[in-house]
Amino acid sequence: GENVEQHPSTLSVQEGDSAVIKCTYSDSASNYFPWYKQELGKRPQLIIDIRSNVGEKKDQRIAVTLNKTAKHFSLHITETQPEDSAVYFCAARRNQGGKLIFGQGTELSVKP
Amino acid sequence: EPEVTQTPSHQVTQMGQEVILRCVPISNHLYFYWYRQILGQKVEFLVSFYNNEISEKSEIFDDQFSVERPDGSNFTLKIRSTKLEDSAMYFCVSGALNTGELFFGEGSRLTVL
Repeated sequence: GENVEQHPSTLSVQEGDSAVIKCTYSDSASNYFPWYKQELGKRPQLIIDIRSNVGEKKDQRIAVTLNKTAKHFSLHITETQPEDSAVYFCAARRNQGGKLIFGQGTELSVKP
Repeated sequence: EPEVTQTPSHQVTQMGQEVILRCVPISNHLYFYWYRQILGQKVEFLVSFYNNEISEKSEIFDDQFSVERPDGSNFTLKIRSTKLEDSAMYFCVSGALNTGELFFGEGSRLTVL
């Protein structure tokens, strides 16, 4: 069945360091890969997404890479700040209008 | 910026009672979804709705669940006879046709006692 595996489940870094979160998807027909940030008690907020026709996308301190062959995609946060502390979810979707399959989440803690 | 609005923000109910969660999606969107998130766990797909009918549903979405778009604006999730394990945050999600971007509502927290 469709599945998205996300690692690590928790990640603690010092302020200013980089953080990397990795996801693997099973459905080779997936073509849209968003990343969400969820603060405690809040809704998931889209922070960056990538489509399968692109290998990398960057937005300021955040970047996402996609390896379609290996069915891997990763989130990279550089120069982390305490306000980056949250749970991050990756997701994959097969087609526009289709369901999102979420990873298990990564709790990122950035220590000042 | 347009928003997906959900009511109630929090509902406490007794096991076996019916619950209706309401959502007003973004007005020009065509795809609508319900997701749920049990505390501390991942976001799980329940059902998608397009062109006034269910387009896909998960194993979680059994006969106790139903969705409706009664008046062209509201989008409701009904749980007929709630169970303890239905306690979760329920998110309504609205999808743009042109970009495919999804917009989450703030969620409705359901507590079943």
